[in-house]
Amino acid sequence: GEDVEQSLFLSVREGDSSVINCTYTDSSSTYLYWYKQEPGAGLQLLTYIFSNMDMKQDQRLTVLLNKKDKHLSLRIADTQTGDSAIYFCAGDRAGGSYIPTFGRGTSLIVHP
Amino acid sequence: NAGVTQTPKFQVLKTGQSMTLQCAQDMNHNSMYWYRQDPGMGLRLIYYSASEGTTDKGEVPNGYNVSRLNKREFSLRLESAAPSQTSVYFCASISIAGVSYNEQFFGPGTRLTVL
Repeated sequence: GEDVEQSLFLSVREGDSSVINCTYTDSSSTYLYWYKQEPGAGLQLLTYIFSNMDMKQDQRLTVLLNKKDKHLSLRIADTQTGDSAIYFCAGDRAGGSYIPTFGRGTSLIVHP
Repeated sequence: NAGVTQTPKFQVLKTGQSMTLQCAQDMNHNSMYWYRQDPGMGLRLIYYSASEGTTDKGEVPNGYNVSRLNKREFSLRLESAAPSQTSVYFCASISIAGVSYNEQFFGPGTRLTVL
């Protein structure tokens, strides 16, 4: 099955870029995902990338995928205090069925 | 969390008590999931239902049962609650229809404490 590793904390200043990193083990994942969880809430899908892509940009979000190193990153440009949350990366399980396996989450703290 | 509702929002149980967590979605999605979230552990899959009438075990199914009552509803039952089941439980509903992998919704969660 998929193992997904993330660093636990990231602290940035408002207006800077944030880069959240993730490594995964299952190279057969079809899609890789980034989710955001605000305090006391459920998860919200932010963006996803198909496994045959290297990069995907969506407004302030840029996802980079390095398949060789099995490394996924999420860059948030012009980070705002409202971006403070826990960010999870996830990959599909092997075999193609949609069953996301989540990392432990990275807590992003944005300070003025 | 639009479209996925969970009840109750909070619950306190004593060891050995039973309860059912309810989840419903109104988006006509085929697949529904139950996850638990523990501090520092991310989300772990308990059970999932790829379509109405089917259920399968996830990573941590012990101590739980599920029922996919119809396409809308997917319930999670704790027959004899244990302190180790203290957690936040999330239900998710996902559309798997070609390119619609971005149609995913999570409920707001049920915060369960077992004393």
